[in-house]
Amino acid sequence: DAKTTQPPSMDCAEGRAANLPCNHSTISGNEYVYWYRQIHSQGPQYIIHGLKNNETNEMASLIITEDRKSSTLILPHATLRDTAVYYCIVRSSGYSTLTFGKGTMLLVSP
Amino acid sequence: EPEVTQTPSHQVTQMGQEVILRCVPISNHLYFYWYRQILGQKVEFLVSFYNNEISEKSEIFDDQFSVERPDGSNFTLKIRSTKLEDSAMYFCASSGTPDTEAFFGQGTRLTVV
Repeated sequence: DAKTTQPPSMDCAEGRAANLPCNHSTISGNEYVYWYRQIHSQGPQYIIHGLKNNETNEMASLIITEDRKSSTLILPHATLRDTAVYYCIVRSSGYSTLTFGKGTMLLVSP
Repeated sequence: EPEVTQTPSHQVTQMGQEVILRCVPISNHLYFYWYRQILGQKVEFLVSFYNNEISEKSEIFDDQFSVERPDGSNFTLKIRSTKLEDSAMYFCASSGTPDTEAFFGQGTRLTVV
């Protein structure tokens, strides 16, 4: 079973920042936090991942709390095309399998 | 940008028939995966493949399923004697190492009638 807890749905206005939370209170020291998204039954798309430091790439930022028990994915300027299901996944180092939960359905509105 | 490609995009088959789903992983990747997603449900792991053998499989991946890398570029999933409940989206993915991100194809929608 997935080791993460996410809200089932969130709304965001176009152009605003979308902040998607994830709880992973049982995460262990060698486990990474990964974020993927799935746009309407397309293949999951990798967004970002991190271990303990905050990370940023061209798509998003990942903020991991100091105790690593939770994290937030930030889409700085959400667009309508960011409407998707967002999955937060905890994955052990050296262990390649991804275990998907139900994710958060983000709806970006005009 | 390199991508994982899957063919066909949609396959309809009669119950009891065998199907082969095809995938071309990203060229320098060494780890390959199949996942499936039944309509309205979660994405589920089926199998991972490395160095020409299965490295891990889920309880879904029983004797009905097999995988193969028949040449240097293709990675296939064979489903024997298909059942109605095999209807799903099947996603292929690949990664360079077990620690790096996996990239997914756009999927094959399998419909068993």
